[in-house]
Amino acid sequence: KQEVTQIPAALSVPEGENLVLNCSFTDSAIYNLQWFRQDPGKGLTSLLLIQSSQREQTSGRLNASLDKSSGRSTLYIAASQPGDSATYLCAVNTGGFKTIFGAGTRLFVKA
Amino acid sequence: NAGVTQTPKFQVLKTGQSMTLQCAQDMNHNSMYWYRQDPGMGLRLIYYSASEGTTDKGEVPNGYNVSRLNKREFSLRLESAAPSQTSVYFCASSKRTGEVLGEKLFFGSGTQLSVL
Repeated sequence: KQEVTQIPAALSVPEGENLVLNCSFTDSAIYNLQWFRQDPGKGLTSLLLIQSSQREQTSGRLNASLDKSSGRSTLYIAASQPGDSATYLCAVNTGGFKTIFGAGTRLFVKA
Repeated sequence: NAGVTQTPKFQVLKTGQSMTLQCAQDMNHNSMYWYRQDPGMGLRLIYYSASEGTTDKGEVPNGYNVSRLNKREFSLRLESAAPSQTSVYFCASSKRTGEVLGEKLFFGSGTQLSVL
């Protein structure tokens, strides 16, 4: 059974710091991996989607990498800002319509 | 440019009461989903609809029913609410055509449900 783990559960950093969020999954047979952002009381917003054949995707200050063989993905946030404060979730698609989510990392960027 | 719209945003029920959560998307997406989010856990799939006219069980379907009313709308019904169904419910959609995989999920803003 595919399991997705995100460590740490919470992270606090000073503004301007570069940071890395981690996501690990137990079964390397995935079709894609998505990173989402969730603000309090809001829905999820897709940030980046990496296909299983890709190694990374970039959008602005965000860069997501994927290493299927080791079951890991990282989300790199450059020059963090207070507006980046949110919960970040990763999710893997294992085929069909099943997407497995991690519990998320709650990020707080201090001004 | 509404995307995925869910109603209501908040609801309090007594044990045994019934209710329907409504979801509509305006992106002409084929597939729609209902998830629940509980503290400390990832989102879990309740039901999904691959296309208009079809519905299938997800990971945690017990106690729920769904209806894909048309291409735009996908509702979730709790027939007899239980305290274990206290959660935040999210509706999502994706384009999904044929065997195309790897498309983004688009989420509504959620319904916070409390069952007393």
